[in-house]
Amino acid sequence: DVKVTQSSRYLVKRTGEKVFLECVQDMDHENMFWYRQDPGLGLRLIYFSYDVKMKEKGDIPEGYSVSREKKERFSLILESASTNQTSMYLCASSLWTDNQPQHFGDGTRLSIL
Amino acid sequence: GEDVEQSLFLSVREGDSSVINCTYTDSSSTYLYWYKQEPGAGLQLLTYIFSNMDMKQDQRLTVLLNKKDKHLSLRIADTQTGDSAIYFCAEGDSWGKLQFGAGTQVVVTP
Repeated sequence: DVKVTQSSRYLVKRTGEKVFLECVQDMDHENMFWYRQDPGLGLRLIYFSYDVKMKEKGDIPEGYSVSREKKERFSLILESASTNQTSMYLCASSLWTDNQPQHFGDGTRLSIL
Repeated sequence: GEDVEQSLFLSVREGDSSVINCTYTDSSSTYLYWYKQEPGAGLQLLTYIFSNMDMKQDQRLTVLLNKKDKHLSLRIADTQTGDSAIYFCAEGDSWGKLQFGAGTQVVVTP
């Protein structure tokens, strides 16, 4: 079974802090994704990556950056956290081949005070 | 981006069938997906259907696709309390990106 592991289930940070959310997958997937989930809005794509050192903006990249130095690890960075970034963050991965389903981690509930 | 729409809430009695509906707009979508999210957890892939299929059945789950109307439905037979969750439909593009609906909260009552 695919295992996508997010480093923290719950995280509390302060406004203005630099925040790192880590995600690791163990199935040698090429694609990795970061979403945020807010009630009534579903999942919105922040950034995704098709390969090491590659990144593409999703629908809501403002205020975020990402890093993919190794194939198995995809990090989401909040450069200067703000209260409107309080949310559930979900990481996913998938194979490169056509329309393979995405597999999700358990999520990180991030609160910015 | 493209829109995927779902009703937000469904209440169903234990033992009845549940039907969750979804409409999408991107006619080029190759695959359409159903995910389940239990409280405090990530999304679990339930099933998916290729766009050239009309129906797919997997145990208690039946997916129906009307490509002309861009309408997708998920039927859960003999709904159990463990089926209480949020269900998301999603359409996929050829790059592997998914566009999700807002999710349907399913509540199963005894």
